[in-house]
Amino acid sequence: GAVVSQHPSRVICKSGTSVKIECRSLDFQATTMFWYRQFPKKSLMLMATSNEGSKATYEQGVEKDKFLINHASLTLSTLTVTSAHPEDSSFYICSARDRNTDTQYFGPGTRLTVL
Amino acid sequence: KQEVTQIPAALSVPEGENLVLNCSFTDSAIYNLQWFRQDPGKGLTSLLLIQSSQREQTSGRLNASLDKSSGRSTLYIAASQPGDSATYLCAVPPWGNTPLVFGKGTRLSVIA
Repeated sequence: GAVVSQHPSRVICKSGTSVKIECRSLDFQATTMFWYRQFPKKSLMLMATSNEGSKATYEQGVEKDKFLINHASLTLSTLTVTSAHPEDSSFYICSARDRNTDTQYFGPGTRLTVL
Repeated sequence: KQEVTQIPAALSVPEGENLVLNCSFTDSAIYNLQWFRQDPGKGLTSLLLIQSSQREQTSGRLNASLDKSSGRSTLYIAASQPGDSATYLCAVPPWGNTPLVFGKGTRLSVIA
C-alpha cells in the first residue's frame, strides 16, 4: 500500500528552539496534506490543511506563526514548530491524500518532547 | 456540521470470535468513508476505503459496509486474533479535499 514517511520519528529539544518535521508521500502524489497532533489517549486533533503551492488553512486555535507549514511539492510538506515550549510536547502526525484514489494515508508520527 | 460516532468505545473479546464495530455519521452527503487502525504510540493505518457509491469493501478478514441513507457503517472482523488489538477509527470527508471527520474510535482487545 501507499506509504507516508515522517522524519524525525522522535525529537527532544530545548525550550525556545525550533523543530522541523518532514512528511513525504513515497509512491503517490498528494495535492493535499494534513497535520494533526495527538495527546496521550486522546483523539487526533487537526491542526491545518495544506495544499501544494498555496498557504495552509489552520484550524481555530492553532497559531499559524508558531506552527509554520510549507507544502513545497506534491510529495513533501513540512511543519516547523517555532520557539517550542514544553506544552508543545505531543505526537504530531501528518497525512496525505492520494490525488488519484482519494485514500488518505497517515505517517507514523513524530514524538516531540520539549524540555 | 458532520459528526461521527463510534460504538462501542471499548470492546474485549476472546480470540477467534467474530465481531462488529459500528460507526454512524449525521450527514449522509459524504464523499467516502475510511476505516483506520491505530496501535498505541503509532500513526494510523488505512484499512478500507468505501466510496459513496459502494456498499461494501473486503480485505482479508475485514469487511466494511456502508449504508449512506441511514448514516451507518460497520467493520466486521472475522476470527479475531490478538494482533487485531488496536483502536479502530472511522472517518468521513464531507467532500473532495476537506479534512476527515473522525469518530473517537473503538478500542479493541482480543484476549488469547
